[in-house]
Amino acid sequence: DAKTTQPTSMDCAEGRAANLPCNHSTISGNEYVYWYRQIHSQGPQYIIHGLKNNETNEMASLIITEDRKSSTLILPHATLRDTAVYYCIVRVWNNFNKFYFGSGTKLNVKP
Amino acid sequence: DTGVSQDPRHKITKRGQNVTFRCDPISEHNRLYWYRQTLGQGPEFLTYFQNEAQLEKSRLLSDRFSAERPKGSFSTLEIQRTEQGDSAMYLCASSQISGTEQETQYFGPGTRLLVL
Repeated sequence: DAKTTQPTSMDCAEGRAANLPCNHSTISGNEYVYWYRQIHSQGPQYIIHGLKNNETNEMASLIITEDRKSSTLILPHATLRDTAVYYCIVRVWNNFNKFYFGSGTKLNVKP
Repeated sequence: DTGVSQDPRHKITKRGQNVTFRCDPISEHNRLYWYRQTLGQGPEFLTYFQNEAQLEKSRLLSDRFSAERPKGSFSTLEIQRTEQGDSAMYLCASSQISGTEQETQYFGPGTRLLVL
């Protein structure tokens, strides 16, 4: 699986959009980008995933660059409850079936 | 609640004792994963099952660790002769593989182990 690079931490004001970047420059053509988050002392929570098209669901939007070497997770209106560690993961579907989480980005949403 | 459940949520034990954790996956999910997470780090893969078959084990899974999924439903993870270095959060995840759909893993709340 391609490895990812994320900033260690980010701050965001409550009500504003949170944009979390992820670099995955060694991604292969059949590797998907997944985002999970982990609120303190809880299990990771699935957010969204995509291959090459931008994706949106009720939680977030995922923007993947055309060359697929980076992506951005967007939380459109961050709330205090969005404070968590966000993990960007790339993996080959149905090959290595484990996720490599890395250290993630700690998002601090401030009032 | 139809999510992944784990029991116990917390376990304190003395070094050298054996411990067993249980994971109940989402109903009808055919894959089940175990991960370990230490403070400040992301979860690390330990092993996974497809139905009752254990298909892969990480090098992190020493001989003191054993996992089972006897009927392809719930799973247990046992640690024998625990060491202080085993202190961590043990996470279980499940997923459903079908056709060409993407596999999304859903995680349980974890079991936090403290070895004294």
